[in-house]
Amino acid sequence: AQSVSQHNHHVILSEAASLELGCNYSYGGTVNLFWYVQYPGQHLQLLLKYFSGDPLVKGIKGFEAEFIKSKFSFNLRKPSVQWSDTAEYFCASNRRGSYGGSQGNLIFGKGTKLSVKP
Amino acid sequence: DTGVSQNPRHKITKRGQNVTFRCDPISEHNRLYWYRQTLGQGPEFLTYFQNEAQLEKSRLLSDRFSAERPKGSFSTLEIQRTEQGDSAMYLCASIDRGLVQETQYFGPGTRLLVL
Repeated sequence: AQSVSQHNHHVILSEAASLELGCNYSYGGTVNLFWYVQYPGQHLQLLLKYFSGDPLVKGIKGFEAEFIKSKFSFNLRKPSVQWSDTAEYFCASNRRGSYGGSQGNLIFGKGTKLSVKP
Repeated sequence: DTGVSQNPRHKITKRGQNVTFRCDPISEHNRLYWYRQTLGQGPEFLTYFQNEAQLEKSRLLSDRFSAERPKGSFSTLEIQRTEQGDSAMYLCASIDRGLVQETQYFGPGTRLLVL
C-alpha cells in the first residue's frame, strides 16, 4: 500500500532561518511526488512536483525539494523563510503511469504546520 | 476566476439530515476527485470521475455517500443521514488528463459541521 509520512507536526522558525521539512513515501513502484501549501484561509496550492529527471526540483516562492530514491524521501527546503511562509505544508504522492504521467489519487501526509516569527 | 469552485463554502446541519455539495472543475478538465480532510490530517481520497464515469471509490465512502457527475462537468457529493463523524472539509480537485505531468488543482473546499 502507498503511504506518505511527514516527520514534523509543527515547526516554529524565526524569519531568515533555513527550513527543511521531511517527507518519506512508501510504495513498491514508481511514484510522482508533490508538495502542496495551504495558507491560512486559502485552498491547497501546488508548490512543486517531481515526475522524473533532475531530482532537485525548484518550485514557487524560493522552495525546492530533493528526491532521494535510496531514502524514499522528498524533503522540502528553503534557505531563508519569511513571515509570509506561515502555512501548512503537505507532501503527497501518486503512482507513475505507464506513459510517465500520473495514475490515481493523491496520497497525502498529515501535514506540517510552519509558523514563522517576524 | 478559472479555478475550481465549490459550493457552499460552509454547511452546518443536524445529525440525520441530508446534505449536498457541488464542485465546478476547471473548464475542460476531464478528471475530477473528491477528498475529505479532518483536523490534523491530510486530505483522504473519496472517489473520482473520468468525464461522467465514476471509476473508483474508496472504502471511506460508505453507503450514505453518493457522488455524481452527470454531464462530465460539475459534480455533486451527497451525504445522507449525516453523522457527527462526517464533520470535515470536503475538497474537490480537477486535472487535465491530457497533460503528461498532470497536476491536481484544488478548490477551496466545503466545511461541514454536523451537530
